[in-house]
Amino acid sequence: KNQVEQSPQSLIILEGKNCTLQCNYTVSPFSNLRWYKQDTGRGPVSLTIMTFSENTKSNGRYTATLDADTKQSSLHITASQLSDSASYICVVSSTGGSYIPTFGRGTSLIVHP
Amino acid sequence: DTEVTQTPKHLVMGMTNKKSLKCEQHMGHRAMYWYKQKAKKPPELMFVYSYEKLSINESVPSRFSPECPNSSLLNLHLHALQPEDSALYLCASSQDGAEVNQPQHFGDGTRLSIL
Repeated sequence: KNQVEQSPQSLIILEGKNCTLQCNYTVSPFSNLRWYKQDTGRGPVSLTIMTFSENTKSNGRYTATLDADTKQSSLHITASQLSDSASYICVVSSTGGSYIPTFGRGTSLIVHP
Repeated sequence: DTEVTQTPKHLVMGMTNKKSLKCEQHMGHRAMYWYKQKAKKPPELMFVYSYEKLSINESVPSRFSPECPNSSLLNLHLHALQPEDSALYLCASSQDGAEVNQPQHFGDGTRLSIL
């Protein structure tokens, strides 16, 4: 069964600090992995998308990594800002017939001043 | 501002009412999706339209009825809903057909409350 596990479930950090969110998946065969940011009361917004051959992708202060061998991904946020407070969702898609993506449960990040 | 527009933003309805949720995108995307999201949970896929044809129905009860009048519009017709149907309903679109696995652009959702 395809699964996506995210950790931690929630995280509180001080403004200006860095943090790393984790995503482990069992989706096979692998197509791509996406990180979304979802602000409270808003729809998810795509941060990065990575395919099998990509190890690292950056989007401003967000850097995603992918290890397709261990089926792990991380999202690193540098110099956090109050506006980074949101839920971060890892989504993995398979090439194996069904194109229904598998969503993780998300990590809730709170950035305090 | 999001490029996928959903209306209304909030909807309160009784269990006997009939209402519709609307979604619109003008990015020329050919795949559109309906998701249901409960509080503190990830979105759950309900329906997928690819090139204006329903390609996936994730065993959604018949009280939810999707419609895709054209490539820019997606509706979700609601009838005889239950209190457990209260949730955030998200619409998304992607550039080519759904099977291409491209990033999805989400709207801000309709917050639905069933009395």
